[in-house]
Amino acid sequence: NAGVIQTPRHKVTGKGQEATLWCEPISGHSAVFWYRQTIVQGLEFLTYFRNQAPIDDSGMPKERFSAQMPNQSHSTLKIQSTQPQDSAVYLCASRRTGGRYAEQFFGPGTRLTVL
Amino acid sequence: SQWGEENLQALSIQEGEDVTMNCSYKTYTTVVQWYRQKSGKGPAQLILIRSNEREKRSGRLRATLDTSSQSSSLSITGTLATDTAVYFCATAGSGGNYKPTFGKGTSLVVHP
Repeated sequence: NAGVIQTPRHKVTGKGQEATLWCEPISGHSAVFWYRQTIVQGLEFLTYFRNQAPIDDSGMPKERFSAQMPNQSHSTLKIQSTQPQDSAVYLCASRRTGGRYAEQFFGPGTRLTVL
Repeated sequence: SQWGEENLQALSIQEGEDVTMNCSYKTYTTVVQWYRQKSGKGPAQLILIRSNEREKRSGRLRATLDTSSQSSSLSITGTLATDTAVYFCATAGSGGNYKPTFGKGTSLVVHP
């Protein structure tokens, strides 16, 4: 079991460019989460899918961020017109079930740097 | 102790010492999770403690939960240099949807 896979590990974009981040959850896990981590804000929830359906996107900045889960084996987080304040580590996590007692497994993260 | 509005806490100790990290939370939760994050890695869950449990142990780790004071602690006995990491607590959301809220974390450095 390779764990949660995130690609790329590092991405550098220019201001105004688009960035797409990929996540492959652990096989058989039905819940997928995206988080953003910065020194100042810490770990912030962005969005949550269960059985590929979007359940809660209350943490997503509305205008430029979008997330999809087209099939059970991958999810994407897209940031349009990236801004320097979007620089962060973006973490994907998966759980076997949607229940709050299920262990959450994190990927290594994608470090996004917006110049 | 850690929570959302606080800055990242930092502790520096010598290998072999025991350490306790604290966490307080503001809203009702049925579960507190403790995570460890090593440099360049994603967080890894260490212990999950439910609201009906006061204490939970796993190897050298011990977590406590006091729902009346809305606080939790994580203790590590006989620390090793490999315990150097950032430790987070997280609480579950309410209702049917689980949305974890993470504390700012405690940065622990264990010197060999």
